[in-house]
Amino acid sequence: AQSVAQPEDQVNVAEGNPLTVKCTYSVSGNPYLFWYVQYPNRGLQFLLKYITGDNLVKGSYGFEAEFNKSQTSFHLKKPSALVSDSALYFCAVRDTGNNRKLIWGLGTSLAVNP
Amino acid sequence: GAVVSQHPSRVICKSGTSVKIECRSLDFQATTMFWYRQFPKQSLMLMATSNEGSKATYEQGVEKDKFLINHASLTLSTLTVTSAHPEDSSFYICSAPLAKAYNEQFFGPGTRLTVL
Repeated sequence: AQSVAQPEDQVNVAEGNPLTVKCTYSVSGNPYLFWYVQYPNRGLQFLLKYITGDNLVKGSYGFEAEFNKSQTSFHLKKPSALVSDSALYFCAVRDTGNNRKLIWGLGTSLAVNP
Repeated sequence: GAVVSQHPSRVICKSGTSVKIECRSLDFQATTMFWYRQFPKQSLMLMATSNEGSKATYEQGVEKDKFLINHASLTLSTLTVTSAHPEDSSFYICSAPLAKAYNEQFFGPGTRLTVL
């Protein structure tokens, strides 16, 4: 079955330190992977996606993610965290059925402490 | 990028009334839209897939007579919560995939529904 796992409910990091938000997936075939961010009481904003090509994908707000096929992971990273990065982060993979759906992880709450 | 709007952003209603939420794709056509529900600090729950010109496809456990979806045009989908009860209070979010962007989903800002 297709699935996405975000093993950490919450990640805490000090401002200026590097951050990593983990995501692993299970899907048949080649995955299309996405990261979205949600600020309080807001809709989701797209951060980045992996479709094909370079395993390191760069996205909005200085975020990047590394696609690792052997580990079936797509961890989100940022070299230096900002307090304003505090938000809820969702990883998703496109459903391989012909339905245009995304399969979502449960989300990781990132808290960046000043 | 593609823009999706939602209206209203916030609604408070009395128990037993119906509430309609609109989702519009502003600069692209969306034959498909998705409706999600999100509880506080929790993940997104896909409720249904809205299909232009045909019936919506509901996820397991979602009452189609409770949550009426209409997708009358290529830019508008509506979700009507009928006979709302306090347990229907939630954050409702719509999205539309863009085919030329590998079906990346573009999200509306969400609607906070509070049923008294």
